Amino acid sequence: KNEVEQSPQNLTAQEGEFITINCSYSVGISALHWLQQHPGGGIVSLFMLSSGKKKHGRLIATINIQEKHSSLHITASHPRDSAVYICAVRSDRDDKIIFGKGTRLHILP
Amino acid sequence: DAMVIQNPRYQVTQFGKPVTLSCSQTLNHNVMYWYQQKSSQAPKLLFHYYDKDFNNEADTPDNFQSRRPNTSFCFLDIRSPGLGDAAMYLCATSRDWGLARNEQFFGPGTRLTVL
Repeated sequence: KNEVEQSPQNLTAQEGEFITINCSYSVGISALHWLQQHPGGGIVSLFMLSSGKKKHGRLIATINIQEKHSSLHITASHPRDSAVYICAVRSDRDDKIIFGKGTRLHILP
Repeated sequence: DAMVIQNPRYQVTQFGKPVTLSCSQTLNHNVMYWYQQKSSQAPKLLFHYYDKDFNNEADTPDNFQSRRPNTSFCFLDIRSPGLGDAAMYLCATSRDWGLARNEQFFGPGTRLTVL
């Protein structure tokens, strides 16, 4: 079992829909990252969380440390949001980053 | 302004022919990382440099080497590429290591094809 699990693996939605991507982890962490990877490979850091909630425009990320769970929400989704969204955690045991396998999001116009 | 730059973006090499991938950064960060990402998989850390100190992951094959001649540049050398080494290679930097709020900045990646 992977230490970082994401769901769903693939998600297709219509433009304008509210999107939720979930991440569960089984290790102790000092921080959790949400990353966006577009076709062609470049990775952009969206959020870094250690508690609570953060909001950047249409993107919202939440984390529940007790439940070892984080969610990434996209409001008013747009085709340009189509990408792979990766959850990654920093282990509090050895400070290494552990990546989830990503959620492939496709927003239809 | 580009902060983490990788060259080339696409690299084609022949089976067994050594290849070098390049990464440079304008952030003056202490730590530089090399990741390998195969299709539909999560990035896998190969090694990282903290300043001049090289840190290899236990399962990184000997075929992969790295050099960091100065703060700005880091190279990934693949001595004898095999077909299984075809992947996206991602370079990343962070200001420091071991801090809970330490963010990584990624380059655009180099996609390696092995013929």
